[in-house]
Amino acid sequence: NAGVTQTPKFRILKIGQSMTLQCAQDMNHNYMYWYRQDPGMGLKLIYYSVGAGITDKGEVPNGYNVSRSTTEDFPLRLELAAPSQTSVYFCASSYGPPRYEQYFGPGTRLTVT
Amino acid sequence: DQQVKQNSPSLSVQEGRISILNCDYTNSMFDYFLWYKKYPAEGPTFLISISSIKDKNEDGRFTVFLNKSAKHLSLHIVPSQPGDSAVYFCAASDQGGSEKLVFGKGTKLTVNP
Repeated sequence: NAGVTQTPKFRILKIGQSMTLQCAQDMNHNYMYWYRQDPGMGLKLIYYSVGAGITDKGEVPNGYNVSRSTTEDFPLRLELAAPSQTSVYFCASSYGPPRYEQYFGPGTRLTVT
Repeated sequence: DQQVKQNSPSLSVQEGRISILNCDYTNSMFDYFLWYKKYPAEGPTFLISISSIKDKNEDGRFTVFLNKSAKHLSLHIVPSQPGDSAVYFCAASDQGGSEKLVFGKGTKLTVNP
Protein backbone atom coordinates (compact mmCIF):
# COMPACT_ATOMS: atom_id res chain seq x y z
CA ASN A 1 0.00 0.00 0.00
CA ALA A 2 1.27 3.44 -0.92
CA GLY A 3 -1.08 5.01 1.65
CA VAL A 4 -1.84 8.66 0.91
CA THR A 5 0.11 10.23 -1.94
CA GLN A 6 0.30 13.90 -2.86
CA THR A 7 1.67 15.67 -5.90
CA PRO A 8 3.53 17.91 -6.41
CA LYS A 9 5.89 18.07 -3.42
CA PHE A 10 6.79 21.70 -4.09
CA ARG A 11 5.32 24.45 -6.23
CA ILE A 12 5.87 28.15 -6.74
CA LEU A 13 2.92 30.10 -8.12
CA LYS A 14 2.60 33.68 -9.21
CA ILE A 15 -0.23 35.76 -7.80
CA GLY A 16 -3.40 35.12 -9.79
CA GLN A 17 -2.36 31.74 -11.15
CA SER A 18 -4.37 28.61 -10.52
CA MET A 19 -3.36 25.05 -9.78
CA THR A 20 -4.64 21.71 -8.57
CA LEU A 21 -3.04 19.77 -5.73
CA GLN A 22 -3.50 16.07 -6.24
CA CYS A 23 -4.26 13.56 -3.48
CA ALA A 24 -4.90 9.84 -3.77
CA GLN A 25 -5.29 7.02 -1.25
CA ASP A 26 -5.32 3.27 -1.75
CA MET A 27 -6.74 2.22 1.62
CA ASN A 28 -10.39 2.32 0.53
CA HIS A 29 -11.09 5.05 3.06
CA ASN A 30 -14.40 6.82 2.76
CA TYR A 31 -13.28 10.02 4.45
CA MET A 32 -10.75 12.42 3.00
CA TYR A 33 -9.51 15.81 4.19
CA TRP A 34 -7.42 18.78 3.13
CA TYR A 35 -5.47 20.78 5.71
CA ARG A 36 -3.07 23.65 5.57
CA GLN A 37 -0.31 24.29 8.07
CA ASP A 38 1.19 27.73 8.44
CA PRO A 39 4.49 28.23 10.31
CA GLY A 40 4.12 27.74 14.06
CA MET A 41 0.48 26.82 13.71
CA GLY A 42 -1.57 23.67 13.90
CA LEU A 43 -3.37 22.11 10.99
CA LYS A 44 -6.47 23.90 9.79
CA LEU A 45 -9.16 22.04 7.87
CA ILE A 46 -9.93 23.42 4.42
CA TYR A 47 -12.41 20.90 3.01
CA TYR A 48 -13.41 17.35 3.69
CA SER A 49 -15.39 14.56 2.07
CA VAL A 50 -17.30 11.67 3.62
CA GLY A 51 -17.60 9.78 0.35
CA ALA A 52 -17.58 10.08 -3.41
CA GLY A 53 -19.75 12.95 -4.54
CA ILE A 54 -19.99 14.52 -1.06
CA THR A 55 -17.85 17.43 0.08
CA ASP A 56 -18.14 20.04 2.80
CA LYS A 57 -16.31 23.13 3.98
CA GLY A 58 -13.90 23.13 6.87
CA GLU A 59 -12.56 26.04 8.88
CA VAL A 60 -10.72 27.90 6.09
CA PRO A 61 -12.37 27.13 2.70
CA ASN A 62 -12.12 30.55 1.02
CA GLY A 63 -10.03 30.53 -2.13
CA TYR A 64 -10.22 26.76 -2.58
CA ASN A 65 -12.45 24.20 -4.24
CA VAL A 66 -12.61 20.43 -4.13
CA SER A 67 -14.29 17.56 -5.89
CA ARG A 68 -14.59 13.87 -5.07
CA SER A 69 -15.59 11.83 -8.09
CA THR A 70 -13.97 8.61 -6.88
CA THR A 71 -13.22 7.06 -3.49
CA GLU A 72 -9.50 7.23 -4.18
CA ASP A 73 -8.97 10.82 -5.32
CA PHE A 74 -9.59 14.18 -3.68
CA PRO A 75 -8.00 17.07 -5.60
CA LEU A 76 -7.79 20.58 -4.16
CA ARG A 77 -8.12 23.48 -6.57
CA LEU A 78 -6.64 26.91 -5.91
CA GLU A 79 -8.12 29.67 -8.04
CA LEU A 80 -6.45 33.07 -8.30
CA ALA A 81 -3.59 32.30 -5.95
CA ALA A 82 -2.79 34.90 -3.28
CA PRO A 83 0.29 35.26 -1.01
CA SER A 84 -1.94 34.30 1.95
CA GLN A 85 -2.19 30.82 0.44
CA THR A 86 1.54 30.23 0.90
CA SER A 87 1.53 27.21 3.19
CA VAL A 88 2.12 23.48 3.46
CA TYR A 89 -0.90 21.47 2.38
CA PHE A 90 -1.66 18.03 3.75
CA CYS A 91 -4.17 15.54 2.49
CA ALA A 92 -5.47 12.86 4.87
CA SER A 93 -7.89 9.97 4.83
CA SER A 94 -9.68 7.81 7.37
CA TYR A 95 -12.24 5.03 7.61
CA GLY A 96 -14.55 7.41 9.45
CA PRO A 97 -16.44 6.87 12.70
CA PRO A 98 -15.82 5.00 14.91
CA ARG A 99 -12.22 5.00 13.62
CA TYR A 100 -11.07 8.59 13.98
CA GLU A 101 -7.39 8.14 13.11
CA GLN A 102 -6.48 10.04 9.99
CA TYR A 103 -3.58 9.02 7.79
CA PHE A 104 -1.64 11.83 6.18
CA GLY A 105 0.25 12.30 2.95
CA PRO A 106 3.74 13.84 2.85
CA GLY A 107 2.49 17.34 2.04
CA THR A 108 2.82 19.93 -0.73
CA ARG A 109 4.83 23.07 0.01
CA LEU A 110 3.27 25.96 -1.94
CA THR A 111 4.72 29.42 -2.29
CA VAL A 112 2.75 32.23 -3.91
CA THR A 113 4.82 35.27 -4.95
CA ASP B 1 -10.79 30.85 19.58
CA GLN B 2 -8.44 27.93 20.11
CA GLN B 3 -10.35 24.88 21.22
CA VAL B 4 -7.23 22.72 21.59
CA LYS B 5 -4.21 24.31 23.24
CA GLN B 6 -0.65 23.13 23.54
CA ASN B 7 0.89 25.86 25.64
CA SER B 8 4.50 24.67 25.44
CA PRO B 9 5.98 25.33 22.00
CA SER B 10 9.04 23.28 22.86
CA LEU B 11 10.40 20.73 25.31
CA SER B 12 13.91 19.38 25.75
CA VAL B 13 14.72 16.17 27.67
CA GLN B 14 17.64 13.82 28.12
CA GLU B 15 17.68 10.42 26.48
CA GLY B 16 16.27 7.78 28.80
CA ARG B 17 14.19 10.23 30.85
CA ILE B 18 10.45 10.81 30.67
CA SER B 19 8.92 13.29 28.23
CA ILE B 20 5.57 14.77 29.19
CA LEU B 21 3.63 16.72 26.59
CA ASN B 22 0.49 18.54 27.65
CA CYS B 23 -2.72 19.53 25.93
CA ASP B 24 -5.80 21.43 27.14
CA TYR B 25 -9.16 21.72 25.46
CA THR B 26 -12.12 24.01 25.95
CA ASN B 27 -14.95 22.27 24.08
CA SER B 28 -16.77 19.94 26.49
CA MET B 29 -18.26 18.08 23.49
CA PHE B 30 -14.86 16.62 22.62
CA ASP B 31 -14.77 12.98 23.59
CA TYR B 32 -12.01 11.44 21.52
CA PHE B 33 -8.41 12.56 21.57
CA LEU B 34 -5.39 11.70 19.45
CA TRP B 35 -1.68 12.41 19.39
CA TYR B 36 0.25 12.77 16.19
CA LYS B 37 3.98 12.95 15.63
CA LYS B 38 5.52 14.93 12.79
CA TYR B 39 9.04 14.89 11.45
CA PRO B 40 10.28 17.75 9.23
CA ALA B 41 9.15 17.53 5.59
CA GLU B 42 6.80 14.63 6.37
CA GLY B 43 3.10 14.35 7.10
CA PRO B 44 1.84 13.77 10.65
CA THR B 45 1.79 10.16 11.82
CA PHE B 46 -0.86 8.83 14.18
CA LEU B 47 0.63 7.82 17.52
CA ILE B 48 -2.02 7.00 20.09
CA SER B 49 -5.60 7.87 20.98
CA ILE B 50 -7.98 7.80 23.90
CA SER B 51 -11.72 7.86 24.27
CA SER B 52 -13.36 9.86 27.04
CA ILE B 53 -14.66 6.66 28.63
CA LYS B 54 -11.07 5.90 29.63
CA ASP B 55 -8.54 7.88 31.63
CA LYS B 56 -5.44 6.09 30.36
CA ASN B 57 -4.27 4.31 27.24
CA GLU B 58 -0.90 2.70 26.80
CA ASP B 59 1.05 1.56 23.75
CA GLY B 60 4.62 0.52 24.37
CA ARG B 61 6.62 3.53 25.49
CA PHE B 62 3.68 5.89 24.93
CA THR B 63 0.90 6.53 27.44
CA VAL B 64 -1.88 9.08 27.16
CA PHE B 65 -3.70 10.28 30.27
CA LEU B 66 -7.04 12.06 30.17
CA ASN B 67 -8.46 14.24 32.96
CA LYS B 68 -11.95 15.12 31.81
CA SER B 69 -12.81 17.36 34.74
CA ALA B 70 -9.74 19.49 34.03
CA LYS B 71 -10.15 19.19 30.24
CA HIS B 72 -6.53 18.14 30.09
CA LEU B 73 -4.60 15.34 28.50
CA SER B 74 -0.95 14.45 28.48
CA LEU B 75 1.35 12.18 26.51
CA HIS B 76 4.11 10.41 28.40
CA ILE B 77 7.07 8.90 26.57
CA VAL B 78 9.22 6.57 28.66
CA PRO B 79 12.09 6.16 28.09
CA SER B 80 12.67 8.99 25.62
CA GLN B 81 14.89 8.26 22.66
CA PRO B 82 16.63 10.64 20.20
CA GLY B 83 14.37 9.30 17.44
CA ASP B 84 11.39 10.70 19.36
CA SER B 85 12.58 14.22 18.51
CA ALA B 86 9.70 15.64 16.46
CA VAL B 87 6.70 17.96 16.71
CA TYR B 88 3.79 16.42 18.59
CA PHE B 89 0.23 17.51 17.85
CA CYS B 90 -2.75 16.94 20.06
CA ALA B 91 -6.12 16.59 18.28
CA ALA B 92 -9.71 16.22 19.44
CA SER B 93 -13.00 15.13 17.97
CA ASP B 94 -16.65 15.02 18.89
CA GLN B 95 -17.70 11.39 18.46
CA GLY B 96 -21.28 12.46 18.57
CA GLY B 97 -21.30 13.41 14.95
CA SER B 98 -18.21 15.21 13.79
CA GLU B 99 -15.84 13.58 11.36
CA LYS B 100 -13.42 16.43 11.89
CA LEU B 101 -10.34 16.73 14.08
CA VAL B 102 -9.30 19.98 15.74
CA PHE B 103 -5.55 20.27 16.18
CA GLY B 104 -3.37 22.13 18.64
CA LYS B 105 -0.36 24.13 17.46
CA GLY B 106 2.12 21.43 18.41
CA THR B 107 5.04 21.00 20.80
CA LYS B 108 8.53 20.45 19.47
CA LEU B 109 10.25 17.73 21.48
CA THR B 110 14.03 17.45 21.43
CA VAL B 111 15.60 14.39 23.04
CA ASN B 112 19.29 14.94 23.69
CA PRO B 113 21.69 11.97 23.60
